[in-house]
Amino acid sequence: EAQVTQNPRYLITVTGKKLTVTCSQNMNHEYMSWYRQDPGLGLRQIYYSMNVEVTDKGDVPEGYKVSRKEKRNFPLILESPSPNQTSLYFCASSYSQQITGELFFGEGSRLTVL
Amino acid sequence: QQQVKQSPQSLIVQKGGISIINCAYENTAFDYFPWYQQFPGKGPALLIAIRPDVSEKKEGRFTISFNKSAKQFSLHIMDSQPGDSATYFCAAFDSNYQLIWGAGTKLIIKP
Repeated sequence: EAQVTQNPRYLITVTGKKLTVTCSQNMNHEYMSWYRQDPGLGLRQIYYSMNVEVTDKGDVPEGYKVSRKEKRNFPLILESPSPNQTSLYFCASSYSQQITGELFFGEGSRLTVL
Repeated sequence: QQQVKQSPQSLIVQKGGISIINCAYENTAFDYFPWYQQFPGKGPALLIAIRPDVSEKKEGRFTISFNKSAKQFSLHIMDSQPGDSATYFCAAFDSNYQLIWGAGTKLIIKP
């Protein structure tokens, strides 16, 4: 089944404790992206990757890191989480953003930082 | 900053009625306008999309109307059903191949 898989789905952590949210897609997509969703603010892009070893900042990259060492994986790293990073996070992928804008989303990772 | 303004923020419609969600954009370079549908606990999924060379696109009960001169586009859901209750996002595809998102509309269809 074609899918984007995120883990963990739910996480409660404390300020400053490094964490990684994994994202994997099995559709051989070139493009991958991370979003955060907050009430009233819609979807805001954190980072995106057009292909392996190519990453770029989105609209709200502060406090986050990403890497794209393999085509299928695009982990999101919070080196020192803070309460303002409490949010619902989505990973998404697309065959190529230059051909179609259709994004396939994971089911989300709800993060709470205390 | 490029923006897509979406309204209303929330909408309640009776079963069988027409749901209308509106979006407006500023950048005339936008050339692809998708709508995504998100059910609770799920990620958004593409519902329907339109390019600016057409004024309307219909898929089942869902229709996008596009007004290029006014830089506006809207989603119409005919014969709205409780299963249509979801959050809807409009978006626009910019010249840098990035999606610019509206803030979302929470739609509730009352039985």
